[in-house]
Parts: sequence; C-alpha cells; structure tokens
Amino acid sequence: AQRVTQPEKLLSVFKGAPVELKCNYSYSGSPELFWYVQYSRQRLQLLLRHISRESIKGFTADLNKGETSFHLKKPFAQEEDSAMYYCALTPTGANSKLTFGKGITLSVRP
Amino acid sequence: DTGVSQNPRHKITKRGQNVTFRCDPISEHNRLYWYRQTLGQGPEFLTYFQNEAQLEKSRLLSDRFSAERPKGSFSTLEIQRTEQGDSAMYLCASSLPTGGKRTGELFFGEGSRLTVL
Repeated sequence: AQRVTQPEKLLSVFKGAPVELKCNYSYSGSPELFWYVQYSRQRLQLLLRHISRESIKGFTADLNKGETSFHLKKPFAQEEDSAMYYCALTPTGANSKLTFGKGITLSVRP
Repeated sequence: DTGVSQNPRHKITKRGQNVTFRCDPISEHNRLYWYRQTLGQGPEFLTYFQNEAQLEKSRLLSDRFSAERPKGSFSTLEIQRTEQGDSAMYLCASSLPTGGKRTGELFFGEGSRLTVL
C-alpha cells in the first residue's frame, strides 16, 4: 500500500521569502509523484509532476528516492501562491489512481 | 466551460435518505474517478471507470454506495440509507488514457457537498 505524508498543515511566509512544502511517501515500488493545488474558490488542479522535471509558476520539486521525499520549493513566494497544496502518488504504469496527502495551506502575506 | 461538471453542488438530506450525484467528464476523457474529501483530509479514492467498466473500488465504498457509468460518458454515484458519516465533498475527475506525460493528470470537478442531518 502507498502512503503520502505532509507533516505540516499550515505554512505562513512573507512575500519574497523562500517556500518549502514537505512531502514524504512510502511505497515499495517505483512511484510517480505529483503536486496538486487548489486556489480559493477554484477546483483542484495539477501543478507539477516529477517526471516532467519542469518549473511551474516558479515552483520545482525533486524526487529523492533515498529520503522518499518530494518537497515543493519556490525561492521567492508571491501573494498569488496562497492556496492549498496536496502531494500525491501513483504507482508507475498504474491507472492514475492517486493517493493524496492531507494537504498544506500556504499563506503568503504582503 | 468544457471542464468536469458535477451536480448538485450542494445536497442536504436527512439520515436514511438516498442521494445521487452526477458527473459529466470532459468529453474525450475515457477515465472517470470518484473521490471523497472530508474536512482536513486530502481526497480519498473511491472508484474509477475506464469507459463504462468499473475497474476498481476502494474498501471505503461500502455496499450502500454504488457508481455507474452506463454509456461511458456521464457517471452517477448513489448513496443509499445515508449516515452522518457520509457527510463530505464528493469529487469527480476525468483523464485521458494514462501513459507518459499524461499519467496522473486528473481534471477535477468542483465537487458535490453532502450534508447528512
């Protein structure tokens, strides 16, 4: 069985500060990891996935198989980054059935 | 709006009543998923369809829950004899066939919020 742990419920930073949203996972096989985001009054949407190795809205995430982590980072937070962020996992080659963490609220203050 | 559509958006019912939610996926998506989300939790997988076939059901889906996707297009999720513990947001998502860059990219609806009194 797979499990995703987001150890913090809330992260509050000032605009321009660095951000790191933590995600740890447990899965015996080879997983694919994702970050989903939900802005206020909007639907849940994909932010980025580890296989793409891309930066979206200034966010990056590196899969660390040794530490079983997939932390989301941004060097300079913006107010519009305020949202709920969910880390999610699916086994490689599976059916996109995602297992989500509990989520973390990011609040960026002016 | 050509995104995933769910209705009703809100449903308040009394314990013991039956409720049905509908999900209309993005038209070219052959996969459809139902998730449930309670306060302070992430979405929890309930079931998914590939076209009209229901391929997997979570153990969370008790025998009071049934989902259908009769023509491989829209889907319904019915809850019979509702209990207060069924109060939650029910999310529907759809996706293209998985593989490569499409894996894990689910398009979610806005959800149907159920309150059981």
